[in-house]
Amino acid sequence: GAGVSQSPRYKVAKRGQDVALRCDPISGHVSLFWYQQALGQGPEFLTYFQNEAQLDKSGLPSDRFFAERPEGSVSTLKIQRTQQEDSAVYLCASSLDRGRYEQYFGPGTRLTVT
Amino acid sequence: GDSVTQMEGPVTLSEEACLTINCTYTATGYPSLFWYVQYPGEGLQLLLKATKADDKGSNKGFEATYRKETTSFHLEKGSVQVSDSAVYFCALMMDSNYQLIWGAGTKLIIKP
Repeated sequence: GAGVSQSPRYKVAKRGQDVALRCDPISGHVSLFWYQQALGQGPEFLTYFQNEAQLDKSGLPSDRFFAERPEGSVSTLKIQRTQQEDSAVYLCASSLDRGRYEQYFGPGTRLTVT
Repeated sequence: GDSVTQMEGPVTLSEEACLTINCTYTATGYPSLFWYVQYPGEGLQLLLKATKADDKGSNKGFEATYRKETTSFHLEKGSVQVSDSAVYFCALMMDSNYQLIWGAGTKLIIKP
């Protein structure tokens, strides 16, 4: 079956541009997570959705980061006025529900801000 | 706060060698523990997990035992293959939470 997909796979943005990163979770998965992975590091939690509700956005690094999941399936992570420190791989994961259910990861979007 | 520490890489081994990648954790409660693997160009995949002390997770010849007394979850394999070359991440999740907390990853290189 189809896994989690993300687009684009690679994005180069000039400093100050806005970007939008898309995540298509596995069909039927209630929970959706965004993580940020800097080069040579493990992922760090950004935000969590249960269906369309954003229940936790404690990991978003600044108010330039915004995520939505309006119909409880596809999610978009938007970064406004990108800065060089935003360069990272952005990972999306989905799971059947919160808690100890396995999180399935997409391939990630590599964002480079020049 | 809760954290995971794993050995730095890269770890370079010859095919059929024994593998151990160390992972220790700090947590205020009793977390579930995970090993994820990231093959080149692919997304993170769950390799194995353990949800309570003394549990052993196993998959694809890899094993890890949840040791509460040493707060460890070391990944082991008796005989590695070239196809095991990847980055391995240790992670934990608290019972009351849903966030995965990750180690920095260990790159494994297996030479034929």
